[in-house]
Amino acid sequence: RKEVEQDPGPFNVPEGATVAFNCTYSNSASQSFFWYRQDCRKEPKLLMSVYSSGNEDGRFTAQLNRASQYISLLIRDSKLSDSATYLCVVNTRNNDMRFGAGTRLTVKP
Amino acid sequence: GAVVSQHPSRVICKSGTSVKIECRSLDFQATTMFWYRQFPKQSLMLMATSNEGSKATYEQGVEKDKFLINHASLTLSTLTVTSAHPEDSSFYICSAAGGPAADTQYFGPGTRLTVL
Repeated sequence: RKEVEQDPGPFNVPEGATVAFNCTYSNSASQSFFWYRQDCRKEPKLLMSVYSSGNEDGRFTAQLNRASQYISLLIRDSKLSDSATYLCVVNTRNNDMRFGAGTRLTVKP
Repeated sequence: GAVVSQHPSRVICKSGTSVKIECRSLDFQATTMFWYRQFPKQSLMLMATSNEGSKATYEQGVEKDKFLINHASLTLSTLTVTSAHPEDSSFYICSAAGGPAADTQYFGPGTRLTVL
């Protein structure tokens, strides 16, 4: 079993749609969680951290369920500029970050 | 703050040559630096973790004699791909920890290596 698993995608949605990404992790000792965004041929950029109480940043909402070892990212009112690959990232300890394979999102006009 | 640079951004070399990639934290001291490799349409795979002044810790399956890592200062780490072969062609990304957010890694822009 992979340490971090994500929806395989790709997701192709129209502008304005709401899209949700799911992620599960295997290491119950994982301490911190993130969603990164990676554009084609570029480095990953931190989108948002994920907190146990859930957190929201504009159109983006992240949720964490430690009991189920599950993380989600919800994007509302999708924009063309949201097209990218979204990486679920889990940090065990001492900055040992493990990346999911990523889910590609394409938002179409 | 928390800017990480990499140099070069792109390199093309002949098989058998060695290539050095530099990773610098520009506005913070990076206690730990990480090197990742990403093949097309795949996720980042951690190659090694390095702490300033000590030997790097390599992930299983990564040859330490082929991928030489030096972390001589708190702002600079280098990755040297020795005797590169076409299968080493990949996107190499470094990241640094020790910036504004304690548990966050800050990524460099990556180096695209093509070995002919």
